Amino acid sequence: DQQVKQNSPSLSVQEGRISILNCDYTNSMFDYFLWYKKYPAEGPTFLISISSIKDKNEDGRFTVFLNKSAKHLSLHIVPSQPGDSAVYFCAAQRMNYGGSQGNLIFGKGTKLSVKP
Amino acid sequence: DTAVSQTPKYLVTQMGNDKSIKCEQNLGHDTMYWYKQDSKKFLKIMFSYNNKELIINETVPNRFSPKSPDKAHLNLHINSLELGDSAVYFCASSEVLPETQYFGPGTRLLVL
Repeated sequence: DQQVKQNSPSLSVQEGRISILNCDYTNSMFDYFLWYKKYPAEGPTFLISISSIKDKNEDGRFTVFLNKSAKHLSLHIVPSQPGDSAVYFCAAQRMNYGGSQGNLIFGKGTKLSVKP
Repeated sequence: DTAVSQTPKYLVTQMGNDKSIKCEQNLGHDTMYWYKQDSKKFLKIMFSYNNKELIINETVPNRFSPKSPDKAHLNLHINSLELGDSAVYFCASSEVLPETQYFGPGTRLLVL
């Protein structure tokens, strides 16, 4: 039972254009959503997150949008650069009752290729 | 000046062997984790440790045991390795809050 789904295994975009990576989830109790970026032979690197009480968070070229009613979030990268080529993982998390972190539940990832 | 480091980076071994993977973080974080990324590319939590206490333990075989000698280290011991244990294992660490986890580079385990 996949609680976090990334239905597009790959995405190819021209340099300078917008990249939109999508993620759907099933559990309405998630408190945080995160995006991680992963280069080959490296561990995932935190990119950006959003709390479930917000609908948008922006950090430079990266913006995450959250649509709670649709249980959908997306990561926008504008403008896309060749160095953005990597696998992007969507993750979701619940906080435990004591305030400690719950599990990070990851999607399968989307491989983004930005062509020069 | 690596934040989360793992050794070894690659590990090839025979079925039935016992092996360990080491993880160290120099971020001063309170919580450390082990994840497994299988052939289907899913990243799944295996364990987490907070102040030497195991606080999450997913349905992982008891052949896997985490060992934390101190707050900066969380090692993963695997007994009687099986073919299905072949995967990439990632260590991570975080503060209690906020939610960001920092990952190590991964250990690629191949069981023959």
